[in-house]
Amino acid sequence: IAGITQAPTSQILAAGRRMTLRCTQDMRHNAMYWYRQDLGLGLRLIHYSNTAGTTGKGEVPDGYSVSRANTDDFPLTLASAVPSQTSVYFCASSHGGLAGGGNEQFFGPGTRLTVL
Amino acid sequence: GQNIDQPTEMTATEGAIVQINCTYQTSGFNGLFWYQQHAGEAPTFLSYNVLDGLEEKGRFSSFLSRSKGYSYLLLKELQMKDSASYLCAVEDSNYQLIWGAGTKLIIKP
Repeated sequence: IAGITQAPTSQILAAGRRMTLRCTQDMRHNAMYWYRQDLGLGLRLIHYSNTAGTTGKGEVPDGYSVSRANTDDFPLTLASAVPSQTSVYFCASSHGGLAGGGNEQFFGPGTRLTVL
Repeated sequence: GQNIDQPTEMTATEGAIVQINCTYQTSGFNGLFWYQQHAGEAPTFLSYNVLDGLEEKGRFSSFLSRSKGYSYLLLKELQMKDSASYLCAVEDSNYQLIWGAGTKLIIKP
């Protein structure tokens, strides 16, 4: 693995189904993030984790949950998908728990999710 | 509320110079980032400003004025591969990035 990976690349899901989006990084970054990106809107933070074992809610957390059992993995779960969750989902990571000091976020390739 | 404003779309000619502006109103300020995002791809880091002034990196420069809540990204000697969206993001007092909707830059030959 080089950098940050996400799976699946794309998925079509029936409403009401449960879905887990996977994210793995091999850069030993402390912080990880989940964003959704919708046309005409900026990236919106769903959940974040400053370090393994801790998580926090972002701007749009409803309908989503995360866990951070170890440094490398940060899965995002939709417990019961709804059509408004159709979006492109990006996972990102950064060195520190804080993105400042030029501590940029590195992004995975994204997961395109369609909920019907 | 928190707000990041950027133009939705800009068009420029290959070889020319273009300036993409970003204005912000956020709860605190811990730095401003510019990212590039090609269609269908992930955002990639371009620049970071935390102090007022100009930061230059090859063909790309970024400027910040904290008192005016204003930044711009300057792209020189435009190439076709510069066609992309450019995202402005501000790190607020909670150390979270607040993102603008992005500026789609179209380069014409």
